[in-house]
Amino acid sequence: AQKITQTQPGMFVQEKEAVTLDCTYDTSDQSYGLFWYKQPSSGEMIFLIYQGSYDEQNATEGRYSLNFQKARKSANLVISASQLGDSAMYFCAMRGFWDMRFGAGTRLTVKP
Amino acid sequence: EAQVTQNPRYLITVTGKKLTVTCSQNMNHEYMSWYRQDPGLGLRQIYYSMNVEVTDKGDVPEGYKVSRKEKRNFPLILESPSPNQTSLYFCASSLGWSSPLHFGNGTRLTVT
Repeated sequence: AQKITQTQPGMFVQEKEAVTLDCTYDTSDQSYGLFWYKQPSSGEMIFLIYQGSYDEQNATEGRYSLNFQKARKSANLVISASQLGDSAMYFCAMRGFWDMRFGAGTRLTVKP
Repeated sequence: EAQVTQNPRYLITVTGKKLTVTCSQNMNHEYMSWYRQDPGLGLRQIYYSMNVEVTDKGDVPEGYKVSRKEKRNFPLILESPSPNQTSLYFCASSLGWSSPLHFGNGTRLTVT
């Protein structure tokens, strides 16, 4: 069965610094997709970035990049130049054939 | 505007009183799913649907029913709600396998 693990329940980062949120996954599928979502205190789920299992380049979207290490089964999210508005819950997710499983999340707090 | 609409946003009910949470999307997405979010557990999939009349169980289907009679609608039915179903519920849809999920704004359900 597929499993997503986020080992950091909470993280702090100073404004303007970079931060890495960890995500490891377990699957026997050859083809899968990895996603990161942000959930601010208002509660909505916001899609950030996607990486396919066959993509050789790490995905980037503005200040977000996904550090994909397939052999280690990790898909860490890197946020560069943190802003106060980045304070939120962050969820890693993996899509297998049709289902999408989520990790428990990491609460990021950006300090001024 | 492309969106997933859930109703109601908040619902307080009593044990055993049947309820339905509606979900509708206007993006012609084939894939729809329901999740519940609980602290420390992330989002767990309840049911998903790959197309009209095609539904399947997720990780936590007990106590829930769904139907997909039309492409745009995917209601979640609790026939006999219990207090352990108190949670934040999200409906989501996506265009395809590598496409991100579009989430509704969530329904906060309290069962007393």
